Amino acid sequence: LAKTTQPISMDSYEGQEVNITCSHNNIATNDYITWYQQFPSQGPRFIIQGYKTKVTNEVASLFIPADRKSSTLSLPRVSLSDTAVYYCLVGGGMDSNYQLIWGAGTKLIIKP
Amino acid sequence: KAGVTQTPRYLIKTRGQQVTLSCSPISGHRSVSWYQQTPGQGLQFLFEYFSETQRNKGNFPGRFSGRQFSNSRSEMNVSTLELGDSALYLCASSTDRNRGAFFGQGTRLTVV
Repeated sequence: LAKTTQPISMDSYEGQEVNITCSHNNIATNDYITWYQQFPSQGPRFIIQGYKTKVTNEVASLFIPADRKSSTLSLPRVSLSDTAVYYCLVGGGMDSNYQLIWGAGTKLIIKP
Repeated sequence: KAGVTQTPRYLIKTRGQQVTLSCSPISGHRSVSWYQQTPGQGLQFLFEYFSETQRNKGNFPGRFSGRQFSNSRSEMNVSTLELGDSALYLCASSTDRNRGAFFGQGTRLTVV
């Protein structure tokens, strides 16, 4: 099963663009890349999911290079309320028996 | 559309007791997964149910069990509780498999 590696923590400032990179060297051919956001004592919230190239929704963009061994979550113009833990997951494909492996997450702190 | 509902939100049990947690998925979602989250181990997958059948199982002892009903509601049971079972138990539902799952608020279980 693919394992993900992401920074333990990051700091940024309100209004800035934040990019969180995740490496997943042994991602399987049919695995997806999914990002979640979690606030303390709450369940994770789905942010975005992709397979290859670039995916964009109303809250974030996900950049995936051709080799798919890494991915970057981009949060435009962050605010204080974006302070949370962000998890990068790979899996969900047949080769991974449809399982998702959760890493330790990146604690993002946004400062005023 | 109502989100994933977990009950109860908080629970205190004594070592050796058993506990049953409940999860009502989003309407139309047939896949329900359970996770255990602790500060030391992060998010760990317990099991996944789809159409009343367990499709995936994580690496937890047999004291942890679950089931899913015909209306997709799910329960998980932990027997012979141990202090180490204290955790936030999260339920997630999706239309199928583990992609883009939506999480509930979780049940905070404290074993004393």
